[in-house]
Parts: sequence; C-alpha cells; structure tokens
Amino acid sequence: GAVVSQHPSRVICKSGTSVKIECRSLDFQATTMFWYRQFPKQSLMLMATSNEGSKATYEQGVEKDKFLINHASLTLSTLTVTSAHPEDSSFYICSASPGGPTEAFFGQGTRLTVV
Amino acid sequence: QKEVEQDPGPLSVPEGAIVSLNCTYSNSAFQYFMWYRQYSRKGPELLMYTYSSGNKEDGRFTAQVDKSSKYISLFIRDSQPSDSATYLCAMTVDHNDMRFGAGTRLTVKP
Repeated sequence: GAVVSQHPSRVICKSGTSVKIECRSLDFQATTMFWYRQFPKQSLMLMATSNEGSKATYEQGVEKDKFLINHASLTLSTLTVTSAHPEDSSFYICSASPGGPTEAFFGQGTRLTVV
Repeated sequence: QKEVEQDPGPLSVPEGAIVSLNCTYSNSAFQYFMWYRQYSRKGPELLMYTYSSGNKEDGRFTAQVDKSSKYISLFIRDSQPSDSATYLCAMTVDHNDMRFGAGTRLTVKP
C-alpha cells in the first residue's frame, strides 16, 4: 500500500516553544492531507484539512493560530504547534489521500509531550 | 449522542476464537465504512472498507454493514496473537467528514 511518513515519531519540548511535525506521502501525490489528534482511549479527532496551495480548513474549536498547517507541495504537509503548553501533549496523526473517500493512508503518528 | 459509538473494551479472547467488533452510528448520510487497525503508538492502517450494506470478506476478516440499523461489524476468524491491537471503525459521507469510533482494544492470548 501507499506510504505516508510522519516525522518525528516522538518529541518532547518545553512549554512556550514551537514544534513542527512533517507529513510526507512517499509514493503518491496527496491532493488532500488531514491532521488528527488522538487522546488516550478516545477516537481520532479531525483537526484540519489541507489542500495543496490553499489555506487549511480547520474544524470547529481548533485554533488556527496555534496549529499552523502548511501544505507546501503535493507530497508534504506540516503542522506547527505554536507556543506549546502541557495541554497540547497528545498523539498527532496525519493522513494523506490521492483522491477518493476510501483512499486514506495514515502516518505513524507523533507523540508530543510538552513539559 | 456521539455520531459514532464503539465500545472501547478491552476485549480479551483466546487464540483461535472468532472476534466480533461493532459500531453504531447516528448519521444516515454516511456512505463509506472503514475499519482500521492501530498498534500501540503507531498510526492506523486500513483493514477493510465497504460502501453498501452487506458483507465483504478478506482472508480472516469480514466486514458487515447494516444501514437500516446503522450498525457495522468486523469479524476476525481464527484470531491470532498478532491481531492484538486497537480496532477503529470509521465512516464518512465524503472524506472531509470522516468520523472515527473510540476504538476497541483487542488482546488475543496464546
């Protein structure tokens, strides 16, 4: 199947700093990429949808100034958590789609811990 | 009421057992139904997807959709310890509206 690479897999940062997470589709062009957040024992929650070359669409309740998404190319999207706080600690997962509702491939996820 | 309900478990079965995982949903507009498997600290991987009501089989896995009851199931036959993971159901009207269940943690004991 298609491969989506997410980096880093784990990151620990100090409160107040910013962290960038990358999501790359390695063998296909992703017209759309999605960013999710997952709390323990809870479902994946869609944070935002990004299309290459346009602004991301954020879900209700997600602060766009805090979670900056840049879909710079058809193979790369980045999520930057700005001025991170301990409550931002979570598991963040991206997925990428070359097209079609059933073609969604997930990255490995990034465990963010803010201390 | 959540759009997608899934019992988080945990569910523990002996090796070789038939496993039944289920989700219910409230939005009748959902058209595509998926099951993902997620190993600890990894991203979900797509196991099965179905579009219409009925059954779809792939090896030891069978996905079942009952749109009239708003109920979907995933059956795992001859379960193996390597099947131990969290199983997430997901559904969507189109991909921008994908909604996930909470996931059921499954342990298959040797």
